Amino acid sequence: DVKVTQSSRYLVKRTGEKVFLECVQDMDHENMFWYRQDPGLGLRLIYFSYDVKMKEKGDIPEGYSVSREKKERFSLILESASTNQTSMYLCASSFPGQLQQPQHFGDGTRLSIL
Amino acid sequence: RKEVEQDPGPFNVPEGATVAFNCTYSNSASQSFFWYRQDCRKEPKLLMSVYSSGNEDGRFTAQLNRASQYISLLIRDSKLSDSATYLCVVGSGNTGKLIFGQGTTLQVKP
Repeated sequence: DVKVTQSSRYLVKRTGEKVFLECVQDMDHENMFWYRQDPGLGLRLIYFSYDVKMKEKGDIPEGYSVSREKKERFSLILESASTNQTSMYLCASSFPGQLQQPQHFGDGTRLSIL
Repeated sequence: RKEVEQDPGPFNVPEGATVAFNCTYSNSASQSFFWYRQDCRKEPKLLMSVYSSGNEDGRFTAQLNRASQYISLLIRDSKLSDSATYLCVVGSGNTGKLIFGQGTTLQVKP
């Protein structure tokens, strides 16, 4: 069974702090993704990575960066947290393929920026 | 126009009812289709993939109509535990990216 683990279920940080959200998967998936989910807006893609040290911007990358130093780990960084980054953050992973493969999600991190 | 559109609902149905959700997508080049289920305050989980020929998994049946660019999910004999939000998901291109609909909320009442 695929296991995607996010480092924290709940996190409270202050405006201006640098925030790190960690995600680890144990299925040797090449693709990894970071989303945020807000009421009425659905899932929005922030960044994704299809290989170690590779990254691509998603739909809403502003204010975020990512790091993929090892295949199993994909980190999301909020460079200077702001209150509008309060959200549910979801990490996902998948195999690559000619056809898109289903993504498997972690439990999510509820981040509050005060 | 959104790339994947769903009626947000909520759909309120009694136990034992049959309920159907539809979803439309805008990119005719889309190649992969899924239904995910998301419980309140939890992560989305894959419910089933959707194949061109249609597929069934117990009480759940998924259909794909490429000509009209829509996907459907039929739930028969609804259970209380089916109450959740159902996300229609479409993939196209070769990046591994998936496009998620905003979801349709189902409430099954006793």
